[in-house]
Amino acid sequence: AQSVTQPDIHITVSEGASLELRCNYSYGATPYLFWYVQSPGQGLQLLLKYFSGDTLVQGIKGFEAEFKRSQSSFNLRKPSVHWSDAAEYFCAGGTSYGKLTFGQGTILTVHP
Amino acid sequence: ETGVTQSPTHLIKTRGQQVTLRCSSQSGHNTVSWYQQALGQGPQFIFQYYREEENGRGNFPPRFSGLQFPNYSSELNVNALELDDSALYLCASSSSRQREISEQYFGPGTRLTVT
Repeated sequence: AQSVTQPDIHITVSEGASLELRCNYSYGATPYLFWYVQSPGQGLQLLLKYFSGDTLVQGIKGFEAEFKRSQSSFNLRKPSVHWSDAAEYFCAGGTSYGKLTFGQGTILTVHP
Repeated sequence: ETGVTQSPTHLIKTRGQQVTLRCSSQSGHNTVSWYQQALGQGPQFIFQYYREEENGRGNFPPRFSGLQFPNYSSELNVNALELDDSALYLCASSSSRQREISEQYFGPGTRLTVT
């Protein structure tokens, strides 16, 4: 069965520190991969996507993600976190017809 | 360019009732997907509509049904509401051809509470 796993439920970092959020996928073939961010009570905002090609993907708000086929991972990174980055982050994978399978999410807390 | 909009924002219903949620897709988008997000969980795929036809369905019972209209807006209908249906319902639109994945843009959601 297709699945996306985010091993970390909650991560706390200090403002200005670097960030890495983990995502692992289990699919028969390489899926399309996405990272979304959700602020409390809000919908999901697309940060970046990987369809094919360059394995390092740049997104909005200074985020990037690296696709590693050998590790079945698509980790999200940011070199310097801002207080406004506090939110919940979701990794998602998809194959055909646009059905996205989401991970359980990682809540990011940023300390001043 | 108008983004994805959903109505209503919040809704409280009683167990056994029926509910209709509405979604207007982003301009130029022809595909709408619906997701259910329970508290503390990631969104779960309900179904997708492409050019007014259902184009895929997740593991939800038939009492979850939908429609897509010629202007690509969509409705999600849930009959015989159960307490477990309490969740945030998210609509996402995309511009795609059938069976082709593309990035999905989400609306703010409708918070449904079933008592």
